[in-house]
Amino acid sequence: NAGVTQTPKFRILKIGQSMTLQCTQDMNHNYMYWYRQDPGMGLKLIYYSVGAGITDKGEVPNGYNVSRSTTEDFPLRLELAAPSQTSVYFCASSSYRGGRNTEAFFGQGTRLTVV
Amino acid sequence: ELKVEQNPLFLSMQEGKNYTIYCNYSTTSDRLYWYRQDPGKSLESLFVLLSNGAVKQEGRLMASLDTKARLSTLHITAAVHDLSATYFCAVDWHYNTDKLIFGTGTRLQVFP
Repeated sequence: NAGVTQTPKFRILKIGQSMTLQCTQDMNHNYMYWYRQDPGMGLKLIYYSVGAGITDKGEVPNGYNVSRSTTEDFPLRLELAAPSQTSVYFCASSSYRGGRNTEAFFGQGTRLTVV
Repeated sequence: ELKVEQNPLFLSMQEGKNYTIYCNYSTTSDRLYWYRQDPGKSLESLFVLLSNGAVKQEGRLMASLDTKARLSTLHITAAVHDLSATYFCAVDWHYNTDKLIFGTGTRLQVFP
């Protein structure tokens, strides 16, 4: 089982460049999330999606965009990279049962450095 | 807005000792999860607590949930070095939709 797959694993960006972090899951989960984790810190929710075509902001959405055209994929877009976006990014997914979502499963993370 | 706080943030403990990590949250929720993260790795699900009074145990770890007090605890019994990691609680905030909000994390180091 692949689970949640993120690409790339590592990336160095220059200030002002753009990139897309890819996330795909093969568990047919409704919910998908993007988090960032700064060194020695907890996870902050950037954006989340409750299903294809539906996205919503989390705790720290500024500087990011997302889309959810399919159940499987939830890409995160950085338009104008800034040093403050240096972080490890985690994608996660969870299923929806009985009117609520269940435990989330995480990808391996993308370590992004903006210089 | 939901806030999730853990304490302590850092915990250095001797092998064989017991200790408890606390997770407090600021608004009503009936679901809470505990995750483990090893350095440089992703998050691994440990416990799923789905109702008030829920208690789950796995090996030397036991988690509980008190939704009325908005408190979850992760108890470590007779710690061993392999438990060294960072532990996160995450609260399922159900407000129209479900958001999963993480605590600050507790970095645990177990030494001989």
